[in-house]
Amino acid sequence: SQKIEQNSEALNIQEGKTATLTCNYTNYSPAYLQWYRQDPGRGPVFLLLIRENEKEKRKERLKVTFDTTLKQSLFHITASQPADSATYLCALSSGAGSYQLTFGKGTKLSVIP
Amino acid sequence: DADVTQTPRNRITKTGKRIMLECSQTKGHDRMYWYRQDPGLGLRLIYYSFDVKDINKGEISDGYSVSRQAQAKFSLSLESAIPNQTALYFCATSDRATGQGRNEQFFGPGTRLTVL
Repeated sequence: SQKIEQNSEALNIQEGKTATLTCNYTNYSPAYLQWYRQDPGRGPVFLLLIRENEKEKRKERLKVTFDTTLKQSLFHITASQPADSATYLCALSSGAGSYQLTFGKGTKLSVIP
Repeated sequence: DADVTQTPRNRITKTGKRIMLECSQTKGHDRMYWYRQDPGLGLRLIYYSFDVKDINKGEISDGYSVSRQAQAKFSLSLESAIPNQTALYFCATSDRATGQGRNEQFFGPGTRLTVL
């Protein structure tokens, strides 16, 4: 069956360091993968999208990689700040036409001052 | 004003009651979705609609129904609520015009539903 795993439920990191979050999947061939940020009690907010034919995408301090051979995406936040503390969700395109998204359970990142 | 709004934001109800959660959007998007989020289970898709005449079941549609009253409105109903439907419910939208390979979704603030 299809499965998405975000390897850590929680990740603590010191301010200024690079946070790396992992998303692994099995039995999918997603056309693209997305990352979202969710703050407590709020809806997820879109951050980045990477297509199956792209290796890397950057946006300010964020970087996403996508390895379709390993079936893995890595999400990096460089120079992390306490304001980056949140839960980060990966989502894979699924369903006919790839318009549906299937979400991972998320990784809760805490950036410690 | 928020682009995707949900009402109510919080609701406590009793087993067996009929409940409707409403979602409205001003983004002009064709596609709308309903998800539930449970601790440890993540976001799961209940129903989705690609336009007013197109409604589809998601991963966990049993016990739920939906109505797409207009492009901007998508309602989720629990015909007879049960305690294991206690969860955080999110509505989301996406834009068909961006084409395949995009489809970022825009989420509402959520409705916290408690069924006693």
